[in-house]
Amino acid sequence: EDQVTQSPEALRLQEGESSSLNCSYTVSGLRGLFWYRQDPGKGPEFLFTLYSAGEEKEKERLKATLTKKESFLHITAPKPEDSATYLCAVRSYGQNFVFGPGTRLSVLP
Amino acid sequence: EAGVVQSPRYKIIEKKQPVAFWCNPISGHNTLYWYLQNLGQGPELLIRYENEEAVDDSQLPKDRFSAERLKGVDSTLKIQPAELGDSAVYLCASSLGSEELFFGEGSRLTVL
Repeated sequence: EDQVTQSPEALRLQEGESSSLNCSYTVSGLRGLFWYRQDPGKGPEFLFTLYSAGEEKEKERLKATLTKKESFLHITAPKPEDSATYLCAVRSYGQNFVFGPGTRLSVLP
Repeated sequence: EAGVVQSPRYKIIEKKQPVAFWCNPISGHNTLYWYLQNLGQGPELLIRYENEEAVDDSQLPKDRFSAERLKGVDSTLKIQPAELGDSAVYLCASSLGSEELFFGEGSRLTVL
């Protein structure tokens, strides 16, 4: 059974203080690992898809990386508008998406 | 391009009452999903459609939940009768094949 855990559960940063969020997964055969951002009262918004170990994707202050067991979402010099819950999901061949519980990020001005 | 549209955004009902949620996916997306999201948790799959066919409804509580996707476009999720534990956000998502999911804003249900 595919499983996803995320850490930390919540993270509070000062504006400009870089950090990383972790997504650990177990899957029979990885078809893709997905990162989403979710603002309060909204649906998740797609950020990245990673397909194989060693792959990296970047978007503004966010950079996602992937190994065979985990993915990191690095946030460089965050701003208050980066505050949100970040969800990680995996999909294995022939299976549905499995989501982690998310990391709630707060960036203080 | 229009995104996934869901309605209603909010619904408050008494327990044992029925409730229905509607979803219109992104045009051309053949795969449609209904997810349930409880506070502080990630989305959990209820049902997945490929065109008109429900290909995975193993997590749908069939004694009280039902769903349909007529003509392979929009979809309706129904709960009858609702229980207190059904209070949650019901998310609809669509995708083109097996690529990334695009979510709607969600329908927040409160059962009193």
